[in-house]
Amino acid sequence: GAGVSQTPSNKVTEKGKYVELRCDPISGHTALYWYRQSLGQGPEFLIYFQGTGAADDSGLPNDRFFAVRPEGSVSTLKIQRTERGDSAVYLCASRLAGQETQYFGPGTRLLVL
Amino acid sequence: RKEVEQDPGPFNVPEGATVAFNCTYSNSASQSFFWYRQDCRKEPKLLMSVYSSGNEDGRFTAQLNRASQYISLLIRDSKLSDSATYLCVVSLNAGGTSYGKLTFGQGTILTVHP
Repeated sequence: GAGVSQTPSNKVTEKGKYVELRCDPISGHTALYWYRQSLGQGPEFLIYFQGTGAADDSGLPNDRFFAVRPEGSVSTLKIQRTERGDSAVYLCASRLAGQETQYFGPGTRLLVL
Repeated sequence: RKEVEQDPGPFNVPEGATVAFNCTYSNSASQSFFWYRQDCRKEPKLLMSVYSSGNEDGRFTAQLNRASQYISLLIRDSKLSDSATYLCVVSLNAGGTSYGKLTFGQGTILTVHP
């Protein structure tokens, strides 16, 4: 079956611009997570959705970052006034209720020039 | 101190070798433990869960020591296809608002050569 998909696969933007990153979870997965992975590091948690609500947004680095999941399926991570330090791979994962395994999407590589 | 710390690596071993990765975690409330594998420029994929009794999956053996807050992964008879980054992962998984949130180590790079 279809896995987690993310678009775009690559995004190049200029400092100060606004970007949106999209995640389509596996159908039926109610839990959705966003992580950020910098070069040479493991992924770092950003935010967790259970259904439509953000159950835990403690990993968002500052108020330039925001994420939504209005219908409990697709999620969008939004970054305002991008900075060069935001350059990373943004990974989305989804999980079926009652199960432990998170399935990751291929990620969006964001480069802020 | 990082929540999850791994051997810095990288590990460069010949085919057929046995290689072991170690990992420690700082939060004693952690409930679930995993090893993920990540190929170059790809997403992490679950390799195996880790249980207190230890568990084995073919050439891979994982161990957990809760008292020492220590996790290990042993790969026997290494194959070229085992070359990847291995990520040690823990989760509080205790319900509540942080359910399932994964905390990753920085990863250890393994290269298996002919």
